[in-house]
Amino acid sequence: GAGVSQSPSNKVTEKGKDVELRCDPISGHTALYWYRQSLGQGLEFLIYFQGNSAPDKSGLPSDRFSAERTGGSVSTLTIQRTQQEDSAVYLCASSWGYGGQMVAFFGQGTRLTVV
Amino acid sequence: QQQVKQSPQSLIVQKGGISIINCAYENTAFDYFPWYQQFPGKGPALLIAIRPDVSEKKEGRFTISFNKSAKQFSLHIMDSQPGDSATYFCAASKRRALTFGSGTRLQVQP
Repeated sequence: GAGVSQSPSNKVTEKGKDVELRCDPISGHTALYWYRQSLGQGLEFLIYFQGNSAPDKSGLPSDRFSAERTGGSVSTLTIQRTQQEDSAVYLCASSWGYGGQMVAFFGQGTRLTVV
Repeated sequence: QQQVKQSPQSLIVQKGGISIINCAYENTAFDYFPWYQQFPGKGPALLIAIRPDVSEKKEGRFTISFNKSAKQFSLHIMDSQPGDSATYFCAASKRRALTFGSGTRLQVQP
């Protein structure tokens, strides 16, 4: 595709349920990021994948959060036993590097509402 | 630990005025400093970026000023227009991992 694609665009789930959020990065991009954005807030880093290297999971807020990137392409962010404080927009971005610089392209996000 | 501090949190500017958003960073290993623009309901989009070996970069009405010794950089929007109303995020990159500032909500009044 032409850009980063995220699905679903909106997700309403009941407290305690598990959810999976999907990200299709731009073809050929080696890096993939997940960020969380609460209403009117900044971008909270969650996890970062770069090629075949071990992911940087330092931003995951709890062990209920996990992410995978299969085949160096599609990524899935899983939230187990969702809580109301997990409600936010989850943004995925992918990037390529040029001359040592990095350009990240974001998807439109998945709006997660936990009721 | 907030590695990139951004101010102000919100900004109101009259049409035709200059919008200025400031950021400061702590980690001297950062090697790339982009600015992102986000409209409501959309993901952030790269606006302009600078490397630390350059003190200023201009693209149209948008200019980044970079002060390496002070570990500060800023975005200037000249001749601000209502269409510039959005949230702006500064960021810093180290080995392709991006750290974002907290964002500035800019409102340009007609």
